Amino acid sequence: KAGVTQTPRYLIKTRGQQVTLSCSPISGHRSVSWYQQTPGQGLQFLFEYFSETQRNKGNFPGRFSGRQFSNSRSEMNVSTLELGDSALYLCASSLLGDSGDRGYTFGSGTRLTVV
Amino acid sequence: QQQVKQSPQSLIVQKGGISIINCAYENTAFDYFPWYQQFPGKGPALLIAIRPDVSEKKEGRFTISFNKSAKQFSLHIMDSQPGDSATYFCAASRSTRYSTLTFGKGTMLLVSP
Repeated sequence: KAGVTQTPRYLIKTRGQQVTLSCSPISGHRSVSWYQQTPGQGLQFLFEYFSETQRNKGNFPGRFSGRQFSNSRSEMNVSTLELGDSALYLCASSLLGDSGDRGYTFGSGTRLTVV
Repeated sequence: QQQVKQSPQSLIVQKGGISIINCAYENTAFDYFPWYQQFPGKGPALLIAIRPDVSEKKEGRFTISFNKSAKQFSLHIMDSQPGDSATYFCAASRSTRYSTLTFGKGTMLLVSP
């Protein structure tokens, strides 16, 4: 079966711009979580969506937002980009959003570079 | 506040040797402890996971050892191979719906031929 698909794979944006990243979960998975990965901070949780509702949110400023559509696809948006937003943004999908065996499957990520 | 501390940051092991990566957690409510493996250009992939009701779990060459009283757990890679060269992340979470994974900062493992 197809894995988690993230688009685009690479992005270069200028400070102050905004960006939208997309994530298509594994078919049948209803939960999508977003993580930011940087060399200094590692993997940090952004937010989780289940059935189009944000269920959990990490400690990021309001410039970071997301949404989930009825087909479980998710987007995250970062407004007013800062240099520090340069990171690999990872999306993970799971069947029901519970941590059971935490059937998280990660996508390959979107590499965002802010210049 | 870093809730999961991972060490070492990097590790070089000779082929055939044992790689050991350690993690310590603070939140006693955590009850699920997975390890993820990440290759360059890829997202993390679940390698092996353990719950606190057992002290050890083995899958092939990979073993997790868990010490609940010390709030520590470790990954042992036996007979390390060059193909094991990757970044390894420990993580922890609660077994409740919508709980999140808290990751350690990762260990870059290089297995020399």
